[in-house]
Amino acid sequence: DIQMAQSPSSVSASVGDRVTITCRASQGIASWLAWYQQKPGKAPRLLIYAASSLQSGVPSRFSGSGSGTDFTLTISSLQSEDFATYYCQQTNSFPFTFGPGTKVDIK
Amino acid sequence: QVQLVQSGGEVKKPGATVKVSCKASGYTFTNYVFTWVRQAPGQGLEWLGWISPKNGNTYYEQKLQGRVTMTTETSTSTAYMELRSLTSDDTAVYYCARGRNLGDPSAEYWGQGTLVTVSS
Repeated sequence: DIQMAQSPSSVSASVGDRVTITCRASQGIASWLAWYQQKPGKAPRLLIYAASSLQSGVPSRFSGSGSGTDFTLTISSLQSEDFATYYCQQTNSFPFTFGPGTKVDIK
Repeated sequence: QVQLVQSGGEVKKPGATVKVSCKASGYTFTNYVFTWVRQAPGQGLEWLGWISPKNGNTYYEQKLQGRVTMTTETSTSTAYMELRSLTSDDTAVYYCARGRNLGDPSAEYWGQGTLVTVSS
């Protein structure tokens, strides 16, 4: 199975800050990576698919990059509604494993 | 608009079986794959398995092999996830999700979640 690691596990930031979250796969997954945002008590929301494609309706302050084993999710200017937990998921091969999550909270 | 509506919460005793349904609407049911994901209280997301409504092909997380069955019913546009021999470790919110297309299982649409509680 492909293992997914995320760093940091949590980050405290202020509105307007640039936030970067890293995801690393235990083996190459080309660009088969998705990013999700989840708020407490809610279902996850797809933000990025195919490593760098912005899902329809997602603000352009979110961006994804990377291929192979190393990936990044960047929030260019953090807004109050962005405080949440973020997960990466590889969709290259079964099982489609998730990373452990990164919690973004208010500094 | 695309909607996935899941069945209501369940309380089960250890050793019992639960079957969660996920009724889809707003698109052609057989054109998109389904994924099931669960989240234990205070924990992260756990991928459970995948099913293609077009041909019934499935893939399950290895640790659930033998206890889980995923099916679809095209006539009602409904996906099902059955989990047997429940233990307290199976207490979680269970989500169904629809992939972006048959070639990309990234979960574009999600159900509201079904809380399954396993307790004696």
